[in-house]
Amino acid sequence: AQSVTQLDSHVSVSEGTPVLLRCNYSSSYSPSLFWYVQHPNKGLQLLLKYTSAATLVKGINGFEAEFKKSETSFHLTKPSAHMSDAAEYFCVVSFYNQGGKLIFGQGTELSVKP
Amino acid sequence: EAGVVQSPRYKIIEKKQPVAFWCNPISGHNTLYWYLQNLGQGPELLIRYENEEAVDDSQLPKDRFSAERLKGVDSTLKIQPAELGDSAVYLCASSPGQGTSQETQYFGPGTRLLVL
Repeated sequence: AQSVTQLDSHVSVSEGTPVLLRCNYSSSYSPSLFWYVQHPNKGLQLLLKYTSAATLVKGINGFEAEFKKSETSFHLTKPSAHMSDAAEYFCVVSFYNQGGKLIFGQGTELSVKP
Repeated sequence: EAGVVQSPRYKIIEKKQPVAFWCNPISGHNTLYWYLQNLGQGPELLIRYENEEAVDDSQLPKDRFSAERLKGVDSTLKIQPAELGDSAVYLCASSPGQGTSQETQYFGPGTRLLVL
């Protein structure tokens, strides 16, 4: 079965410290992988995506993620958290044999303490 | 460039009433998606359109849900009759191509539905 699992439902960090949001996928096919962010009462915004090019993907707002096929992981990182990073983050997978269907993880809520 | 527009942003109705949501995708985008997002969960695809054709509606509960995209531009999602369990956020997204797995989907702000 094709699925995506976000390993933490909630992550809390202090401002200025690193952020790590973990994501694993399950698939027999080569996936496309995305991270989206959702601020309260706002639409989902794409942070970054992996589509079989470079395994280290840089996104907006200083975020990056590394595709590790051997570990079936696509963890999201940022060196230094900012208060404005507090939001819900979704790891998303898509497969070539399912057209544009996105499969979302359950989400990780990121809190940033001053 | 305007993003995906959805209306209304909020809707409160009583159970068994009908409700409709409207979506206008980014200009020139061929593919349009409707997603359902329950509280505390990730969105789930309801239906995908390529131009005016519904190419994937396998997740749409057809007994009460219907959708249309008559001219291949804007779209309407309807529920009739609404049930308490339909309370959720309904998201619309669009993408420029033919809905491939590598395409970025651009999301609207969503319509938050509360059924009483």
